[in-house]
Amino acid sequence: NAGVTQTPKFQVLKTGQSMTLQCAQDMNHNSMYWYRQDPGMGLRLIYYSASEGTTDKGEVPNGYNVSRLNKREFSLRLESAAPSQTSVYFCASSVREGSTDTQYFGPGTRLTVL
Amino acid sequence: AQSVTQPDIHITVSEGASLELRCNYSYGATPYLFWYVQSPGQGLQLLLKYFSGDTLVQGIKGFEAEFKRSQSSFNLRKPSVHWSDAAEYFCAVGAGNYGQNFVFGPGTRLSVLP
Repeated sequence: NAGVTQTPKFQVLKTGQSMTLQCAQDMNHNSMYWYRQDPGMGLRLIYYSASEGTTDKGEVPNGYNVSRLNKREFSLRLESAAPSQTSVYFCASSVREGSTDTQYFGPGTRLTVL
Repeated sequence: AQSVTQPDIHITVSEGASLELRCNYSYGATPYLFWYVQSPGQGLQLLLKYFSGDTLVQGIKGFEAEFKRSQSSFNLRKPSVHWSDAAEYFCAVGAGNYGQNFVFGPGTRLSVLP
């Protein structure tokens, strides 16, 4: 199993450009997530999808949109990139274990917005 | 809402020395606790987790963690550190239900001296 995969690994955008970050998992997990990681701030949840066909906002959703294309794929779109969106983006998927979920992460996409 | 603190931003230990990384959480009910490790340029890898039962949990790579409810702590330990353990370590608390209720600490960066 590849686990959680993300493309691209690196991306440089100019302010105002748009792009889509792709994420796929082959673990048959129902739930998927997008996080951003900034120095000293840990990981912050942008959007999540509890199951296929549903999406919800997390802690920092402004400036982003998501699509849960099917059970495997969950994409994150920046419609008009801003320098404040320079960050490392992680996708995760989770499996229910007992009364909570355990999350598994992809390798990340490092995005720079100039 | 739950929260997580990791009091140490950066720790340096010598190879072969013991290690303890601190994690304190705030949550009103039974917490679900996790430790993840992030090597440079990589995604987050699950080290171990605590859901219930034995308060001392074993993880991968020789790590263990002890849940102490009275101290609201979930400290990570390793008896003998290897140079390959140099990485950033994140403690996280889940609040049951779905993974959108995951909260990560800010991380502790571990450096290992030869």
